[in-house]
Amino acid sequence: AQSVTQLDSQVPVFEEAPVELRCNYSSSVSVYLFWYVQYPNQGLQLLLKYLSGSTLVESINGFEAEFNKSQTSFHLRKPSVHISDTAEYFCAVRKNTGTASKLTFGTGTRLQVTL
Amino acid sequence: DVKVTQSSRYLVKRTGEKVFLECVQDMDHENMFWYRQDPGLGLRLIYFSYDVKMKEKGDIPEGYSVSREKKERFSLILESASTNQTSMYLCASSPLSGGGNQPQHFGDGTRLSIL
Repeated sequence: AQSVTQLDSQVPVFEEAPVELRCNYSSSVSVYLFWYVQYPNQGLQLLLKYLSGSTLVESINGFEAEFNKSQTSFHLRKPSVHISDTAEYFCAVRKNTGTASKLTFGTGTRLQVTL
Repeated sequence: DVKVTQSSRYLVKRTGEKVFLECVQDMDHENMFWYRQDPGLGLRLIYFSYDVKMKEKGDIPEGYSVSREKKERFSLILESASTNQTSMYLCASSPLSGGGNQPQHFGDGTRLSIL
């Protein structure tokens, strides 16, 4: 079975500062990796995903994540955060089995951006 | 755009009641999922379904059941509600095509309180 670890439950950061949200996973088979974002009082939205190919993936709002197979990590980064990035971020993994399978989520990281 | 609609945003019930949480998606997705979200625990899968009348247990199915009579609707049932089932419940759907690389689309959640 796969598992996901998000070591930081909360990350406070000032606006316009860079941020990194850490995600490590374990799995005995190859996986697909996802980052979801949850704004207050809303459901989860897909932020970005790694399926194959380039190990660096980007979202439309300036976030990026890099798949590192040797370190089994998929850390999320943004060079300059905005107040509106305040949200909870979940890393998730799914086995690459060719058939539909379950997502396993991390426990989430709450990003708090302040002025 | 995919729309996953959960019938209630907030619900208050009493212990011992039978509780129904409803979820409808409008994109003809084969897969549907029920999660509960608790602080510090992330999202945990309760049940999922990959076809009408089909269901699979997730990681925490105890105390819950589900029903999928139509493709677009997936219901979560608390047979006899207990206070430890107070939580945020999230429904999600995804297409079967493409295997595990299709992201899940989430509803806005139902915050259920059991008194």
